[in-house]
Amino acid sequence: DAKTTQPNSMESNEEEPVHLPCNHSTISGTDYIHWYRQLPSQGPEYVIHGLTSNVNNRMASLAIAEDRKSSTLILHRATLRDAAVYYCILRTTGNQFYFGTGTSLTVIP
Amino acid sequence: DSGVTQTPKHLITATGQRVTLRCSPRSGDLSVYWYQQSLDQGLQFLIQYYNGEERAKGNILERFSAQQFPDLHSELNLSSLELGDSALYFCASSVDQGWTGELFFGEGSRLTVL
Repeated sequence: DAKTTQPNSMESNEEEPVHLPCNHSTISGTDYIHWYRQLPSQGPEYVIHGLTSNVNNRMASLAIAEDRKSSTLILHRATLRDAAVYYCILRTTGNQFYFGTGTSLTVIP
Repeated sequence: DSGVTQTPKHLITATGQRVTLRCSPRSGDLSVYWYQQSLDQGLQFLIQYYNGEERAKGNILERFSAQQFPDLHSELNLSSLELGDSALYFCASSVDQGWTGELFFGEGSRLTVL
């Protein structure tokens, strides 16, 4: 089964970039890499997703390794509102969704 | 506001009982997904429906069942409840089958089994 592994927690200073890593060594060629985040007492919200190429949107950037066995979510300037649990997810062709353990991001003012 | 509505927000019941959680997807979304989030197991995918049909099944117990109705709302039925079923249950929806689409999550239904 496709699975992801993430660090349990990370810290960042406000206004600095944050790089959140994810390992998915058993990813198959058709699995998409998704990132979601969950703020306290809320449901997860979509951040970004990609297949092979790096992706950018207004919230973040997604850097995907050439062998696709790992990826990194990049928040360019962390704000206090970015403090959340970030999940790296593989969406398979069988529509199974494997959430990682999530990384709890603390942003220090 | 994601546009996904879940009811009830909180539910307290006893072991052995049965409960039904309801989800209304975003207008126009055909896919509904159910997830369970407990403290010791993180976020677990339970089941997905697309336009009334079951499309994918995850770690859903046999005591649990779900369906999607013609108006596209979905219900998750939990029976013979055990203490370990206490968790947050999230519903999510997407416009397509979820192949590449964004999932929109509701606020969740918190179930407490005493």
